[in-house]
Amino acid sequence: EPEVTQTPSHQVTQMGQEVILRCVPISNHLYFYWYRQILGQKVEFLVSFYNNEISEKSEIFDDQFSVERPDGSNFTLKIRSTKLEDSAMYFCASGTDARSSYEQYFGPGTRLTVT
Amino acid sequence: RKEVEQDPGPFNVPEGATVAFNCTYSNSASQSFFWYRQDCRKEPKLLMSVYSSGNEDGRFTAQLNRASQYISLLIRDSKLSDSATYLCVVNRGSGANNLFFGTGTRLTVIP
Repeated sequence: EPEVTQTPSHQVTQMGQEVILRCVPISNHLYFYWYRQILGQKVEFLVSFYNNEISEKSEIFDDQFSVERPDGSNFTLKIRSTKLEDSAMYFCASGTDARSSYEQYFGPGTRLTVT
Repeated sequence: RKEVEQDPGPFNVPEGATVAFNCTYSNSASQSFFWYRQDCRKEPKLLMSVYSSGNEDGRFTAQLNRASQYISLLIRDSKLSDSATYLCVVNRGSGANNLFFGTGTRLTVIP
């Protein structure tokens, strides 16, 4: 069964450093998403990406964040200058369209720890 | 008002019991509704989509009431492996597919 994959599984970085989180969505999916979950809290939407551009973004997704799909398979989330409060689990998700009710499938996540 | 509200539980039930979870959502424009399950420190896994007509998948039955903006999940004949946090999830609607998650309801099935 096809799966979303993410690397690395855990990233430790110092405050102010740039990080890039990587995801390989399911191959025939068209919609790509990033979510985050701070420990003990609910899953929160960051950004959605369709047709090589951002389609929606939340208030969390400020100028420090960017997304890219550089080669047609990888989907990356970059945080330019990490803050302590960016520490969270970051989930990538991919999905199809209305025919499957826009179901989204999540990767195993990258745990980001900012020290 | 929260986009999605769920009773956080915990629900502790014996094996074989029937348990029901409820959820309400605030955005009447939401068009897609889901239940996900999340094990500790793992990703949300899609359990089932929820349709207006109600739908069943084995021991799991989901219902949607659009007029009341209410979603439910019924688990029959609970198994130990059903222990997890159940997340009520709705999309934003109005052409946007981003999902809003509830805080989840924790279920523990006891032997």
